[in-house]
Amino acid sequence: AQSVAQPEDQVNVAEGNPLTVKCTYSVSGNPYLFWYVQYPNRGLQFLLKYITGDNLVKGSYGFEAEFNKSQTSFHLKKPSALVSDSALYFCRTGNQFYFGTGTSLTVIP
Amino acid sequence: NAGVTQTPKFQVLKTGQSMTLQCAQDMNHEYMSWYRQDPGMGLRLIHYSVGAGITDQGEVPNGYNVSRSTTEDFPLRLLSAAPSQTSVYFCASSSGLAGGAETQYFGPGTRLLVL
Repeated sequence: AQSVAQPEDQVNVAEGNPLTVKCTYSVSGNPYLFWYVQYPNRGLQFLLKYITGDNLVKGSYGFEAEFNKSQTSFHLKKPSALVSDSALYFCRTGNQFYFGTGTSLTVIP
Repeated sequence: NAGVTQTPKFQVLKTGQSMTLQCAQDMNHEYMSWYRQDPGMGLRLIHYSVGAGITDQGEVPNGYNVSRSTTEDFPLRLLSAAPSQTSVYFCASSSGLAGGAETQYFGPGTRLLVL
């Protein structure tokens, strides 16, 4: 069985500060992990994915995520938040059934 | 390429009415899926298809039908709309089985209100 958990429904961060959106996973075997972003009234857009190899994955819009096998986590990070990063973020396993419940990120000017 | 398109963007139905949500993709993707998005519940898979003529149920299939006669199109039918089906519906496609490494591409969504 596979699942992901996003423990925070809401994350607030000041503009210019680093941001982290958390995701933990439960996957048997090699995990495939994805991050998607949803801007208001839009569909989901792919940000990045971990398949294998380097634990630090770089994606679109300056985002990156760190795969941590010992902590079964795949947190999304950005060194300096922008107001335009305010959106809903979803973590997903390689199985299309298993999206997280989403984390609403608000970047405060 | 238009990617994944969905029509209509918004629809209001009365309880008991039926309708079809359209989804099309021009990327020649084999795999297509329908999700519903509800506050606090993330995305839940309704039905999916791994190719023309092949469909299967997801997590929340009751009250919905699908068919896949072509690679490009994957319509979702509501047989008898209920207020519990008020939601935002997303169609997605990918070039391979999403149990692997393939990225899904999403349409812009259809907002459905059932009165």
